[in-house]
Amino acid sequence: TQLLEQSPQFLSIQEGENLTVYCNSSSVFSSLQWYRQEPGEGPVLLVTVVTGGEVKKLKRLTFQFGDARKDSSLHITAAQPGDTGLYLCAGLTNSGYALNFGKGTSLLVTP
Amino acid sequence: GAVVSQHPSRVICKSGTSVKIECRSLDFQATTMFWYRQFPKQSLMLMATSNEGSKATYEQGVEKDKFLINHASLTLSTLTVTSAHPEDSSFYICSAPTWRLNTEAFFGQGTRLTVV
Repeated sequence: TQLLEQSPQFLSIQEGENLTVYCNSSSVFSSLQWYRQEPGEGPVLLVTVVTGGEVKKLKRLTFQFGDARKDSSLHITAAQPGDTGLYLCAGLTNSGYALNFGKGTSLLVTP
Repeated sequence: GAVVSQHPSRVICKSGTSVKIECRSLDFQATTMFWYRQFPKQSLMLMATSNEGSKATYEQGVEKDKFLINHASLTLSTLTVTSAHPEDSSFYICSAPTWRLNTEAFFGQGTRLTVV
């Protein structure tokens, strides 16, 4: 099983602060995906990174895929209360098309 | 965009009864769907892979006789929790890949199962 380690597990910050969430693995992934999940709902795809070294921006969110395609990061600039949620990184398994998820980062942004 | 619909969103059942959860792909065909289980404040754990027209593939430690999966059509997979017990209470989520670029996966809204 390809394992994805996410850090930090919990993060509580004030509105306007910046933060970075990390997703690391000892395995190489063909692609990594980032999801955001709100309580009682399914995960929603934010971005897919495919190329080593790739950087993608989604408004205040910046996603980076490591050169070796073993790790990824999510940086949020000027966090807002609406960013609160569980952020999950995920990579495709070797055997098929199921996703292996990291343990998630629970983010709380207070006004 | 592609949508996966899951039903019901919440269900409460008595211990010993069975509960069926449906997962539908609304605007695309899904020969494969995945069922996940999520405990509070934890990540999603893959339970099984549902294959249209054939038997499901279960992850290690998941009882196939307890969690029955049927993928009878290209747009519907069902998960039946048989003889439910309180420890089966959890959030169950299905997903379906669209086989587009990068194999994007869309998730259902999830089902909160409470066994009393």
